[in-house]
Amino acid sequence: GAGVSQSPSNKVTEKGKDVELRCDPISGHTALYWYRQSLGQGLEFLIYFQGNSAPDKSGLPSDRFSAERTGGSVSTLTIQRTQQEDSAVYLCASSLRDRGSYNEQFFGPGTRLTVL
Amino acid sequence: AQTVTQSQPEMSVQEAETVTLSCTYDTSESDYYLFWYKQPPSRQMILVIRQEAYKQQNATENRFSVNFQKAAKSFSLKISDSQLGDAAMYFCAYRRGKETSGSRLTFGEGTQLTVNP
Repeated sequence: GAGVSQSPSNKVTEKGKDVELRCDPISGHTALYWYRQSLGQGLEFLIYFQGNSAPDKSGLPSDRFSAERTGGSVSTLTIQRTQQEDSAVYLCASSLRDRGSYNEQFFGPGTRLTVL
Repeated sequence: AQTVTQSQPEMSVQEAETVTLSCTYDTSESDYYLFWYKQPPSRQMILVIRQEAYKQQNATENRFSVNFQKAAKSFSLKISDSQLGDAAMYFCAYRRGKETSGSRLTFGEGTQLTVNP
């Protein structure tokens, strides 16, 4: 079946503009994660959604970052008033559920964001 | 908070030889998982191998195996008979146990592996 998809693949924007990044998880996966990978660094957690529960936003670096998940499926990560330090690859992952037996997180190909 | 450390930013190996990538972690929990992910230039994160902390036996997946030293909080990846397709960035990652919700992955900084023909 189809894996996790993300769009756009690459996004170039000017400082101060807003951007939206989209993630389509694997069908039936109730858990969804966003991670950020800055140049030459590992991935850092941003936000997590599980079903209809309130999202865990503890990893969002500032209030310019927000995310939604509509209908328990597609998720959108929004960055307002982008700054150059927001330049990174934004990765989305989904899993069947988040507790109980181990459930692998499947990653999308990411969106490379460049803020000029 | 959990931390994961990879002290080798870059490693290289000759094709068909064996290489070991190092990873250490810090946690106060007893129930957790450890992973090695591979990220080729396509950016797609691929799970290579996982280890449950409660299992004493080291995990193996074909040419990939781990050396899990729980007391030392060490989790190294051994790649045998290295192939050109193994060239990638490798990340060590930690996840809290199965009965914990919101189990995000905590990643190390990565090791860039080059395979020389």
